[in-house]
Amino acid sequence: AQSVTQPDIHITVSEGASLELRCNYSYGATPYLFWYVQSPGQGLQLLLKYFSGDTLVQGIKGFEAEFKRSQSSFNLRKPSVHWSDAAEYFCALAGTNFGNEKLTFGTGTRLTIIP
Amino acid sequence: EPEVTQTPSHQVTQMGQEVILHCVPISNHLYFYWYRQILGQKVEFLVSFYNNEISEKSEIFDDQFSVERPDGSNFTLKIRSTKLEDSAMYFCASSEAGRKNGELFFGEGSRLTVL
Repeated sequence: AQSVTQPDIHITVSEGASLELRCNYSYGATPYLFWYVQSPGQGLQLLLKYFSGDTLVQGIKGFEAEFKRSQSSFNLRKPSVHWSDAAEYFCALAGTNFGNEKLTFGTGTRLTIIP
Repeated sequence: EPEVTQTPSHQVTQMGQEVILHCVPISNHLYFYWYRQILGQKVEFLVSFYNNEISEKSEIFDDQFSVERPDGSNFTLKIRSTKLEDSAMYFCASSEAGRKNGELFFGEGSRLTVL
């Protein structure tokens, strides 16, 4: 079975501060990993994805994530957050076996930015 | 920028009624998905659809649910005899090349309220 855990339900950071959102996964091999963002009233937008290769992946809006196999983690980072980054962030996993099309999502982390 | 569009944005229905949620995926995409998010819970996979047939479905997607691509542009989710626990946000997504090689593009969701 595959699963994703986002330990932090809600995080508050000051504008301009650095950010790290945690994601841990459970899967029998190295999965495909994704971070999505959901702004209020919007659909889910892909920030970045990891399939293979370089374990540090760059995404849109200045976000990056690092895959660490030893820790089964795929944490999302941003060096300096902007007020527009306030949103819900979802980590997701896809299995690598043929025919497995589903994404398994974490419960999400709500990010609040304070001035 | 092409986008996935969903209608209605919000539907209220009585328990036991049938509901059809509509989605127009991005025109050159080949893979289609429905996900749902019960309030306060994680986004859950329902079904994936490729080459005019279901390629994968979750245990949630029982006989109460069906999907159809009636005319080459629309992708519908039908829920027969709705139950209170079907109240959720339903997201449609499409992808050019499936979850492995392609990004999933999500619509803004259809909120279903069952009374």
